[in-house]
Parts: sequence; C-alpha cells; structure tokens
Amino acid sequence: QKEVEQDPGPLSVPEGAIVSLNCTYSNSAFQYFMWYRQYSRKGPELLMYTYSSGNKEDGRFTAQVDKSSKYISLFIRDSQPSDSATYLCAMKTSYDKVIFGPGTSLSVIP
Amino acid sequence: DGGITQSPKYLFRKEGQNVTLSCEQNLNHDAMYWYRQDPGQGLRLIYYSQIVNDFQKGDIAEGYSVSREKKESFPLTVTSAQKNPTAFYLCASSISGDGGQNIQYFGAGTRLSVL
Repeated sequence: QKEVEQDPGPLSVPEGAIVSLNCTYSNSAFQYFMWYRQYSRKGPELLMYTYSSGNKEDGRFTAQVDKSSKYISLFIRDSQPSDSATYLCAMKTSYDKVIFGPGTSLSVIP
Repeated sequence: DGGITQSPKYLFRKEGQNVTLSCEQNLNHDAMYWYRQDPGQGLRLIYYSQIVNDFQKGDIAEGYSVSREKKESFPLTVTSAQKNPTAFYLCASSISGDGGQNIQYFGAGTRLSVL
C-alpha cells in the first residue's frame, strides 16, 4: 500500500460545478496537509495548507482533513476553466520529509 | 521578485553525457530539494539539503549528484549512470528542513530528454 493515494482521474466537469478532490493516507503520524495546483509543464504552486484536522477556506477553495478516516479533500466551488490543472496532495509528520500524492488531473469544460 | 529559478527549461542529453540542471533561490530558504516527476508517479525525491555544504540522498539518488556550496544554489547533475533520465525535474525550497510545517515552494521545472 502506498503512503498516499489519489485517484489520477482525469476528472472532467462543466464550468460552475463543485469539484471534490480526495486523498487517502496510511501514516497516522501525518500532521501537516497541503494541496498544490500544477498547470501543464509548470511547477506546482501551493494552494492550501492545513495543520491537523478541520476545515480551511480560501475564496472558492475549501480544504478538509479527517484524521480519524485518514482522508483529506479539496473542494472547488463555481469551478472555472482556469482551474483545469493537476492537483497534488502532500503531507508530512512533524519531523520527516513531505510525501506527495500522484495527482488528479482536472478539466473544467466551458 | 522572490522565487526559485530553474534553468534551462528544456535540456537534451546524449548517450554517456553528464548534464547539470541549475536551481537558484532568493527566498533566503535554508532547505532545498530536487524531485523527479514522471507521468502517473507523482514527485519522487532525488536529493535534499537542509544547510550549506550538507545534503542527503532521497528515494531515487542513484545516477544523480548534487552540491550545495552556496545557500542560494543547489545544482543537480544527471550522470551517465542514470539510464532512464527522461523526466520533468523540479527544484523546491523551504524555510527549514524536516522539522515543522516545511512548506515547499517550487521552480518552473526543467524537462530533460535523451537524444
């Protein structure tokens, strides 16, 4: 079992839809959770960062962490064509290196 | 503007050749990282450095070498021993190393292909 699992997609949604992206993990010691957005042929850019459990909202983006289920989610409201990208989840313990998920490819169709 | 600069954007390697990828940051970050990205496999850590003149192997260090002579610079050499070098290479940096939140910021990447 991989430490971090993520459905690679591709996920295709119409413009304006609510998008749900998810990752599961096996290491209960993970405390820091991040979501990165990566456009084609570009480096990943940090979207959201969450410590421990709970929700965090930033504009159209909401990050959710459920440590009891070892499950994290990123919700995108009112999705736009400019949201079309690969979304990488990432997580770490307090003392070890970051582990990245393989990424989910998202297409938002106008 | 603060950031991470990777060069070149595209690089071609001939059989038996060593090539060096450049990574420079002006964020005053202590830690720097090199990742390899292949389709469907996510980011795999090649080498990382938490302080000048010190670096550690990541998960796939074989066939690669690095140096960290300056805080701002962390070049990666892909040696002829790396038999499958075609990939997208990403450099990242963070304020500190393994401890704490360690949010990493990335450069734009270098795409390496074999001729």
